[in-house]
Amino acid sequence: GAGVSQSPSNKVTEKGKDVELRCDPISGHTALYWYRQSLGQGLEFLIYFQGNSAPDKSGLPSDRFSAERTGGSVSTLTIQRTQQEDSAVYLCASSLGQGGGQGTQYFGPGTRLTVL
Amino acid sequence: SQQGEEDPQALSIQEGENATMNCSYKTSINNLQWYRQNSGRGLVHLILIRSNEREKHSGRLRVTLDTSKKSSSLLITASRAADTASYFCAIETGANNLFFGTGTRLTVIP
Repeated sequence: GAGVSQSPSNKVTEKGKDVELRCDPISGHTALYWYRQSLGQGLEFLIYFQGNSAPDKSGLPSDRFSAERTGGSVSTLTIQRTQQEDSAVYLCASSLGQGGGQGTQYFGPGTRLTVL
Repeated sequence: SQQGEEDPQALSIQEGENATMNCSYKTSINNLQWYRQNSGRGLVHLILIRSNEREKHSGRLRVTLDTSKKSSSLLITASRAADTASYFCAIETGANNLFFGTGTRLTVIP
């Protein structure tokens, strides 16, 4: 597709269950980012992938959060043993990844996660 | 914190008026970007201004950057009801990450 896509658009889960969120970046974009946005708040950086380099995981809030990017394209964000405070919109973005002014990020529509 | 901070948090204006939003930050930047978000979902990139630029225009948008004051402003001229959204500034540092502020919620009243 022409833009970043994410699935599912909405996910409701029970506390303690694991969830997987998927992101398909724009073709050719080497950089991929995950953010979390709680209600009425700004974006919280979670993790950043750039090409084949080791990801920048500095934003992951706990070891329950992990992400993979297979084949340099699709990424999956996994949250294990979900907690109610994990409820948020999870946004994925991709960019050409060169930084220095080429770092414009293109966002997907997000996945709204609700943990009951 | 490296993130940008927007001011005001909320702004309500009449259609046709101009809207000005400000962003302040604390670190050195490569560039500063403004994004728009409707209904709490995906963000749309509006404009990017590099650290060596002082002003940039795009349609009804005008962005200024003052690196000595570590601040930027976004001006939307002749506002429309469809401009109602949240507006975020984001700073790009050498880390290739964007650090977002908490946003300004703009309401344009028809």
